[in-house]
Amino acid sequence: EPEVTQTPSHQVTQMGQEVILRCVPISNHLYFYWYRQILGQKVEFLVSFYNNEISEKSEIFDDQFSVERPDGSNFTLKIRSTKLEDSAMYFCASSDLRAPEAFFGQGTRLTVV
Amino acid sequence: DAKTTQPPSMDCAEGRAANLPCNHSTISGNEYVYWYRQIHSQGPQYIIHGLKNNETNEMASLIITEDRKSSTLILPHATLRDTAVYYCIVRLGGQNFVFGPGTRLSVLP
Repeated sequence: EPEVTQTPSHQVTQMGQEVILRCVPISNHLYFYWYRQILGQKVEFLVSFYNNEISEKSEIFDDQFSVERPDGSNFTLKIRSTKLEDSAMYFCASSDLRAPEAFFGQGTRLTVV
Repeated sequence: DAKTTQPPSMDCAEGRAANLPCNHSTISGNEYVYWYRQIHSQGPQYIIHGLKNNETNEMASLIITEDRKSSTLILPHATLRDTAVYYCIVRLGGQNFVFGPGTRLSVLP
């Protein structure tokens, strides 16, 4: 069964460093999403991406964040100058035009120390 | 903010049906009702979705009231592995998914 793959599963970084979280969406899906979940809190929307551009973003997704689809398979989330409060699980998801449900990856646990 | 209201927690005996309610009184005509679940800190797992009609798949059944203001997710024979947080989400096609706090279902042996 096709699935969304995220790497790494766990990333530890020092405060102020830049991190790139990687996602391989399901092949032929056209919509891509990033969500995050701070420990013990709800899943929060960050950004959606379609046709090589951001289609929607939340207030959380400020200038510190950026997304990119560098090739035909990867979808990345870059977090610049990480802060302690960026520590969270980050989930990537994808969906296609014909099936409205989105499928989520298993997440990357980001720990900023 | 989430447009749905769910009880914060529920218990269910193993082998029995789990019925998880959701209120979405402000749902619009084109919005679908989706159910996802999250086991521990894993990624949310899609369960089922519907617009007006009741739906059934290999995981669950979705019962939507005629006025579409509420729905019920039914797990027909709950197992210990169904212990998770269950999210009811209403969404227009193409929009992002807005997660609320969900219902924490505990399946008890």
